[in-house]
Amino acid sequence: QQNVQQSPESLIVPEGARTSLNCTFSDSASQYFWWYRQHSGKAPKALMSIFSNGEKEEGRFTIHLNKASLHFSLHIRDSQPSDSALYLCAVSGTGFASALTFGSGTKVIVLP
Amino acid sequence: EAAVTQSPRNKVAVTGGKVTLSCNQTNNHNNMYWYRQDTGHGLRLIHYSYGAGSTEKGDIPDGYKASRPSQENFSLILELATPSQTSVYFCASGDAPGNERLFFGHGTKLSVL
Repeated sequence: QQNVQQSPESLIVPEGARTSLNCTFSDSASQYFWWYRQHSGKAPKALMSIFSNGEKEEGRFTIHLNKASLHFSLHIRDSQPSDSALYLCAVSGTGFASALTFGSGTKVIVLP
Repeated sequence: EAAVTQSPRNKVAVTGGKVTLSCNQTNNHNNMYWYRQDTGHGLRLIHYSYGAGSTEKGDIPDGYKASRPSQENFSLILELATPSQTSVYFCASGDAPGNERLFFGHGTKLSVL
């Protein structure tokens, strides 16, 4: 069974700083890697995904993936108070329809 | 954007009672999922479905049943609710096989007393 771990558990950063979140997974055959964001009391919402080694940038958000190290990360440039939320990483396995396994989340607080 | 609606928003149940959580999606997605969210555990998969008439066990199915009577509707059933099932339950639908983006409902907060 897939084991997905996130670090740190929580993070406080000043407005304008760079935020870095980490996620490790256990199944080397995993194919797709996602980050979701959940504001307090709201539904989780997909941010972005990656499926090949390397880096992918969308606006202020960048994902790095290293399959050999079983690790991927999310970096937020110029963090804003509106980025304060629970960030969940998720990993899909193999097969035609493979449900996502989520990590336990990193709570991010961006102070103005 | 994909619309997933859950009902009820809040539910208080008694130990041993039957609870049904409902989910409706209007985007014709084949895949639907039930997760529960507890502090320190993130989202854990209970049951999922590939289409009408199908249900599959997720990672933590014990004590739960699921029903998918139509493409749009997916229910989670607790036949004999226990206090350990107190949680927030999220339903989600998926837009494509493979690299699937999930669209979540707003959640149901269930308290079992």
